[in-house]
Amino acid sequence: RKEVEQDPGPFNVPEGATVAFNCTYSNSASQSFFWYRQDCRKEPKLLMSVYSSGNEDGRFTAQLNRASQYISLLIRDSKLSDSATYLCVVTLSGGYQKVTFGTGTKLQVIP
Amino acid sequence: GAVVSQHPSRVICKSGTSVKIECRSLDFQATTMFWYRQFPKKSLMLMATSNEGSKATYEQGVEKDKFLINHASLTLSTLTVTSAHPEDSSFYICSAAEAGRNTGELFFGEGSRLTVL
Repeated sequence: RKEVEQDPGPFNVPEGATVAFNCTYSNSASQSFFWYRQDCRKEPKLLMSVYSSGNEDGRFTAQLNRASQYISLLIRDSKLSDSATYLCVVTLSGGYQKVTFGTGTKLQVIP
Repeated sequence: GAVVSQHPSRVICKSGTSVKIECRSLDFQATTMFWYRQFPKKSLMLMATSNEGSKATYEQGVEKDKFLINHASLTLSTLTVTSAHPEDSSFYICSAAEAGRNTGELFFGEGSRLTVL
């Protein structure tokens, strides 16, 4: 089983739609969780951290479920500019020594 | 936000030559930098963790003699692909974590696309 798994997609959704991605992780000792966004042929950029209590940033909502070992990202009112690959990132022990990236989920928002 | 600069962004070399890629944190100090490799339509694969002033920690399956990493200062880490072969062609990205900040956020370089002929 992969350490961090994501549905690769692609998710093709119309503008204005709501879309959700899930990411599962295998190591119960994982401490920190993030969603990064990567545009084609570009470097990943932090979208948001994921906290146990869940957190929201505008149209984006992230949730963490430790019991089931998954994190989710919800995007409301999708924009064309949201088209990208979304990477789930998990770190061990709250530090930087072990950072694992999910395979990424590709989102294509269509007009 | 913090800036990480990676150079060169593209490099084409002949088989058998060595290529050096630099990763610099421009406005912060990074005691730890990471080197990744990304194949087309694949996710980032961590190659090694670069620690300032000490030897890098390589992930399983990554040849340390093939991919030499040096982290001589708090703002610079280098990756040297030695005796490059066509199968080393890939997109290499570095990232850095700001020393003293435990947000977990990583700042990425722009990446270096290596093509070995």
